Amino acid sequence: NAGVTQTPKFQVLKTGQSMTLQCAQDMNHEYMSWYRQDPGMGLRLIHYSVGAGITDQGEVPNGYNVSRSTTEDFPLRLLSAAPSQTSVYFCASSYGHSGANVLTFGAGSRLTVL
Amino acid sequence: GESVGLHLPTLSVQEGDNSIINCAYSNSASDYFIWYKQESGKGPQFIIDIRSNMDKRQGQRVTVLLNKTVKHLSLQIAATQPGDSAVYFCATPGTGANSKLTFGKGITLSVRP
Repeated sequence: NAGVTQTPKFQVLKTGQSMTLQCAQDMNHEYMSWYRQDPGMGLRLIHYSVGAGITDQGEVPNGYNVSRSTTEDFPLRLLSAAPSQTSVYFCASSYGHSGANVLTFGAGSRLTVL
Repeated sequence: GESVGLHLPTLSVQEGDNSIINCAYSNSASDYFIWYKQESGKGPQFIIDIRSNMDKRQGQRVTVLLNKTVKHLSLQIAATQPGDSAVYFCATPGTGANSKLTFGKGITLSVRP
């Protein structure tokens, strides 16, 4: 099993550009989520989904959009990138419809916004 | 909301010694706790978890202790190895129907040869 796959691993954007971080899991997990990790800030929840067609905001949702058209995929969109969005992004999934279970993380996507 | 904190940002131990990583939480109703390990350049990986009906749980070379009275948990690593060098996070979903995992800021464990 591949687990949680994130692409791209690295990306450099200019301020105002848009892009999509891809996340796919092959574990048939209902719950998927996006976190950002910044030095000294730990992991902060951006958006999450408890199943296909259902998404909701986490702790730091501003500047990001998500959709969940299939169980497997949960892309994260930056519509107009800002330097404050420079971070490492992790996609994570778990069984069940709750965010209270053990999460399986992807390897991360490092984004730099100039 | 739930807050989870690790006591010290860095910990340096000699190879072969035991390591103890501490974590405090704020919500006395929290009933489930998870420890993650994050190696450089990788995503966090599950190490061990514990529910509030237990005080101690052991895995392979790792033990988690939970003290609900003082809202504290610790991760003990026996015979620390170079491969244990990583950032360690404690996490808890807190309580409530819409609870989500809240992570501590992480502590960096460095193993000296």
